[in-house]
Amino acid sequence: AQKITQTQPGMFVQEKEAVTLDCTYDTSDPSYGLFWYKQPSSGEMIFLIYQGSYDQQNATEGRYSLNFQKARKSANLVISASQLGDSAMYFCAILNSNSGYALNFGKGTSLLVTP
Amino acid sequence: DVKVTQSSRYLVKRTGEKVFLECVQDMDHENMFWYRQDPGLGLRLIYFSYDVKMKEKGDIPEGYSVSREKKERFSLILESASTNQTSMYLCASSSRLAGEGDEQFFGPGTRLTVL
Repeated sequence: AQKITQTQPGMFVQEKEAVTLDCTYDTSDPSYGLFWYKQPSSGEMIFLIYQGSYDQQNATEGRYSLNFQKARKSANLVISASQLGDSAMYFCAILNSNSGYALNFGKGTSLLVTP
Repeated sequence: DVKVTQSSRYLVKRTGEKVFLECVQDMDHENMFWYRQDPGLGLRLIYFSYDVKMKEKGDIPEGYSVSREKKERFSLILESASTNQTSMYLCASSSRLAGEGDEQFFGPGTRLTVL
């Protein structure tokens, strides 16, 4: 079975600072994909970034980057130059190849960016 | 602009009522999913479908059923609503080859309260 663990229920960061949100995973699949989603208070799920297990380089999308350490089974999200609009819930997820490519989500991390 | 829509943002029902949650996507996606989101638990997969008239149980299917008569529409049915089904329900869709990093697109969610 696949599992995602997010150990930080809540995080604070000051505006313009960088922040790392932790994610560890467990899977027996030789090939897998990891996603990060953002959920603002409005409720919609916004895709941020994807990392494939065989990708040679860590994924980056604008201010978002993924610190992927395969041997440690971690896929931490790094947000650089935090903005007030980054305040939201952040979910790490892994593709579940046994469920039609559904996503197995972690419990999420609530990020609050302060002025 | 690609879109997943859900029939209601907020819904209040009484215990024992039959409840229909509708989801429509306009991206011609094969895969569709229903998740339930509860505080501290993240998102959990209820049912998924990878083709018209096909459906598979997810992690928490008890008390729910689904229907997919057309490719673009995936309905979640609560046969006899109970108070423990009070939750946020999120529909999502993805292309059949989503295993290679294609994101899942989410609807805005339906917040269901069962009294």
